[in-house]
Amino acid sequence: EAQVTQNPRYLITVTGKKLTVTCSQNMNHEYMSWYRQDPGLGLRQIYYSMNVEVTDKGDVPEGYKVSRKEKRNFPLILESPSPNQTSLYFCASSWARGNSPLHFGNGTRLTVT
Amino acid sequence: GDSVTQMEGPVTLSEEAFLTINCTYTATGYPSLFWYVQYPGEGLQLLLKATKADDKGSNKGFEATYRKETTSFHLEKGSVQVSDSAVYFCALSHMDSNYQLIWGAGTKLIIKP
Repeated sequence: EAQVTQNPRYLITVTGKKLTVTCSQNMNHEYMSWYRQDPGLGLRQIYYSMNVEVTDKGDVPEGYKVSRKEKRNFPLILESPSPNQTSLYFCASSWARGNSPLHFGNGTRLTVT
Repeated sequence: GDSVTQMEGPVTLSEEAFLTINCTYTATGYPSLFWYVQYPGEGLQLLLKATKADDKGSNKGFEATYRKETTSFHLEKGSVQVSDSAVYFCALSHMDSNYQLIWGAGTKLIIKP
């Protein structure tokens, strides 16, 4: 089954403790992206990757890192999480940026205390 | 820059009612337009799209027509069901913004039996 898999689904952590949210897709998509969703703010792009070893900042990259060492994986790293990074995070992938439909994971709800 | 404006929610309707969710956009030229749907506890999924003026996208009984003259892409359904309860996002993609998806804030739809 074609899918984007995020882990974990729920994560509670404390300020400053490094964490990684994993994302994997099995559709051989070139384009991958991370979003955060906050009430009243809709979806905001954090980082995206056009292909292996190619990553770029989105609208809200501060406090986040990503890597794309393999085509299928695109982990999101929070080196020193803060409470303002409490949010619902989505990974998405598509064949290419633009008109190709985005396929989303089921989300990771992160709480930073 | 490009932008998408959606009607604020929540929108509450009774089952079998007619649905319209308004979406207008600001962009030069001819962007591609999308509606994504997010069911509770899930990631977003593409509902329908239109890539040129006067195109009509349709799926699952939902329709939206690309209106260049009014810069609109309103989502409609003739008879909603409880299972249509979700958050609906309008978005555009344009080569002038390097095909980055520009998202509306989302409209929550609640259908009562």
